[in-house]
Amino acid sequence: DTEVTQTPKHLVMGMTNKKSLKCEQHMGHRAMYWYKQKAKKPPELMFVYSYEKLSINESVPSRFSPECPNSSLLNLHLHALQPEDSALYLCASSQGAPDTQYFGPGTRLTVL
Amino acid sequence: GQNIDQPTEMTATEGAIVQINCTYQTSGFNGLFWYQQHAGEAPTFLSYNVLDGLEEKGRFSSFLSRSKGYSYLLLKELQMKDSASYLCAVRDQFTDKLIFGTGTRLQVFP
Repeated sequence: DTEVTQTPKHLVMGMTNKKSLKCEQHMGHRAMYWYKQKAKKPPELMFVYSYEKLSINESVPSRFSPECPNSSLLNLHLHALQPEDSALYLCASSQGAPDTQYFGPGTRLTVL
Repeated sequence: GQNIDQPTEMTATEGAIVQINCTYQTSGFNGLFWYQQHAGEAPTFLSYNVLDGLEEKGRFSSFLSRSKGYSYLLLKELQMKDSASYLCAVRDQFTDKLIFGTGTRLQVFP
């Protein structure tokens, strides 16, 4: 089983809203990732958690706040986003940092 | 620095064979991945090469030459459902990050 689940599938929010994206995996993977992908572009790494600790933050604006409550769950809290933040947000997980990453279906975010 | 190049678009006919090339220049190399991504969907893992040579997996094969900084993905017996973007990604030896190429959009015609 190589399933990573993400909710919601679609999200529309205003610039003053606060919302959260959720990612879950039950493969026992110890590394989890958030990526942002704009149309016709490759995924861009945002954050990496390894063993529930934030190991990489790719200089992401503070309006994006990641959280890893346990080894199976990864959240991305959103606050005061801008229209240019509209994108597909992908979660991925891997056994460890050097291993193959498996992606979830993504959340299509639209900021109005 | 990291630089990964792939053709932007390719077209092919159903039943044919297509080869998608990827060249890379990296400061530290620790493996190359190929992912398939249908429009609006998540990338799906296809193959992984860390040593030189050919890895075969059904209709898909991937080749790596580390000395040349070159890989290709070979798709045989093309089907309409193979129309997608194909992403080449190199794992950085020092950070374990995946560095993605811009992707190749493949269109398969009947």
